[in-house]
Amino acid sequence: AQSVAQPEDQVNVAEGNPLTVKCTYSVSGNPYLFWYVQYPNRGLQFLLKYITGDNLVKGSYGFEAEFNKSQTSFHLKKPSALVSDSALYFCAVSTPEGFQKLVFGTGTRLLVSP
Amino acid sequence: EAGVAQSPRYKIIEKRQSVAFWCNPISGHATLYWYQQILGQGPKLLIQFQNNGVVDDSQLPKDRFSAERLKGVDSTLKIQPAKLEDSAVYLCASSPSDSTDTQYFGPGTRLTVL
Repeated sequence: AQSVAQPEDQVNVAEGNPLTVKCTYSVSGNPYLFWYVQYPNRGLQFLLKYITGDNLVKGSYGFEAEFNKSQTSFHLKKPSALVSDSALYFCAVSTPEGFQKLVFGTGTRLLVSP
Repeated sequence: EAGVAQSPRYKIIEKRQSVAFWCNPISGHATLYWYQQILGQGPKLLIQFQNNGVVDDSQLPKDRFSAERLKGVDSTLKIQPAKLEDSAVYLCASSPSDSTDTQYFGPGTRLTVL
């Protein structure tokens, strides 16, 4: 069965500093990996995805993520955090055989202080 | 391009009452999903439609939850009778059809069962 772990409930970072939000996954076979962001009282907004190819994926709002197959990780990164990046971030995984079924992690709250 | 529409945005009901949620996916998207997001958790897939057929409803509590997607476009999710533990945000998402496609989410319906 597919699963995703987001080991940190909350990440705190100062504005202008780099940020990392961690994600590890478990699947049988090749993973499709996604990051979504959720602002209060809003639905999930797509940030980026890894399907195949280059391990470094660039997405919306300056975010990027690196797929590491040996460590089964897909950490989200941004070189310079903004206060407006403060939100809830979800990592999710599906597989080619999974009929697009997404399994989500429990989420990590990012708090960027001025 | 219009996004995924959901209504109502908020609903408060007493336990044992019934409730229905409506979703209009992005035009042309063949696949539609209903997720349940309990506070502090990641979204959990309840049911997935491909056009007007059910692909996966393995996590749908079928004794009280039902969903339909008539004509392969709009969808409704119903709970009857509601329990306290059904309090959650119900998210609708849609995607074109391929397993690598991104799912786009609506704003959700926040249900409170008293």
